[in-house]
Parts: sequence; C-alpha cells; structure tokens
Amino acid sequence: QKEVEQDPGPLSVPEGAIVSLNCTYSNSAFQYFMWYRQYSRKGPELLMYTYSSGNKEDGRFTAQVDKSSKYISLFIRDSQPSDSATYLCAMSRRAAGNKLTFGGGTRVLVKP
Amino acid sequence: GAVVSQHPSRVICKSGTSVKIECRSLDFQATTMFWYRQFPKQSLMLMATSNEGSKATYEQGVEKDKFLINHASLTLSTLTVTSAHPEDSSFYICSASPGTEAFFGQGTRLTVV
Repeated sequence: QKEVEQDPGPLSVPEGAIVSLNCTYSNSAFQYFMWYRQYSRKGPELLMYTYSSGNKEDGRFTAQVDKSSKYISLFIRDSQPSDSATYLCAMSRRAAGNKLTFGGGTRVLVKP
Repeated sequence: GAVVSQHPSRVICKSGTSVKIECRSLDFQATTMFWYRQFPKQSLMLMATSNEGSKATYEQGVEKDKFLINHASLTLSTLTVTSAHPEDSSFYICSASPGTEAFFGQGTRLTVV
C-alpha cells in the first residue's frame, strides 16, 4: 500500500463547477500538507500549504486537513478551463528542508 | 513565492554521454535541495537529497555513481547523469525551500537517443 493515495482521474467538470480533490494517507507522522498544480511538461506549482488539521482558504482554493481521518481535500470554486492540469497532494513530517511524499496526482479537465 | 530555476529545460543526448542539469534558488539560500524524477503520467519520485557542502543522500534503488549530485554553494545544486542510456530518459525536477514551503524548478526533459 502506498503511503499517500490519490485517485488518478481524469476528473471532468463543466466550467464554473466546483472541483473536489482528495488524498488519504497512512502515516500519522505527516504534519505538513501541500497541494501542487502541474501543467504538462512543467514543474509543480505550489497552490496551498497547511499545517496540521483545519481549513485554509486562498481565493478560489480551499484546503482541508482532517488528521483524525488521515484525509485531505482541495476545493476549487468557479473552475476555469485554465485550471485543467494535474493536481498533486504532498506531505511531510517536518517543515523546512524535509522531503515530500507525493500522491499519484489527479488529472482535472474543465470543459468550457 | 520563491523562485527555483532549472536549466536546461530540454536536452537530447547520445547514449553513453553525460548530461549536467543545474538547479538554482534565485532569491533565497538553500542548504538542502531535492531531485525528483517523473515518468509520463506518474507522480514525482524522490531520487536524492542534495546537501550543501556534504555528500548527497540517495533514495533506495538510485545509483549514486550514475546520478552525481554536487551542491557546491547555497544557491546551486547540479545533477549529472553519467553514461546516459535510453532508460534514463525522463523528466527531472529539483526543489528547494526558503522556509516551510517547497518550490520546484521548471523541470528538465532528458531524451537519450
């Protein structure tokens, strides 16, 4: 079993819909949780960074962490065709300088 | 966010030759950088941790003699793929952290022919 599980998709939604993404993990030592967006043949771009359990909102993006269930989510409101990409969750045990463990990524397609 | 620059973005080389990929932190210093490898439609797999002024730490299964890492300054780490073969063709990405968040370079697509 992988440490971090993520549905590969593809997830297809109409423009303007809410995109809901999630990851589950097995290692309770993870404390820091991140979501990245990756366009084809580009490096990952950091979208959201959260520490421990709770919610965090930034513009159209909301990240949720439930450590008791070992479950994290990313919601994208008012989705746009430019949001079409692969979304990767990542997590680490410590803060700076610590290696990340990634989910497999979910491919999202927002149709105009 | 912080900027991590990776060069080159694409490289094609002949089998048996070596290729060097650079990773620079442009607006911060990084004592630690990470090198990942990504196959098509797959996630990032950590190859090694690059430590400034000391030897890199390689993940299990990664050949340290094939993937040479040099972290000679606080803003530069290099990955050299030695005696490259077609199976080394992949997307290589580096990352660094100015604090708690990790930022990634643009990636280097290596094709070995």
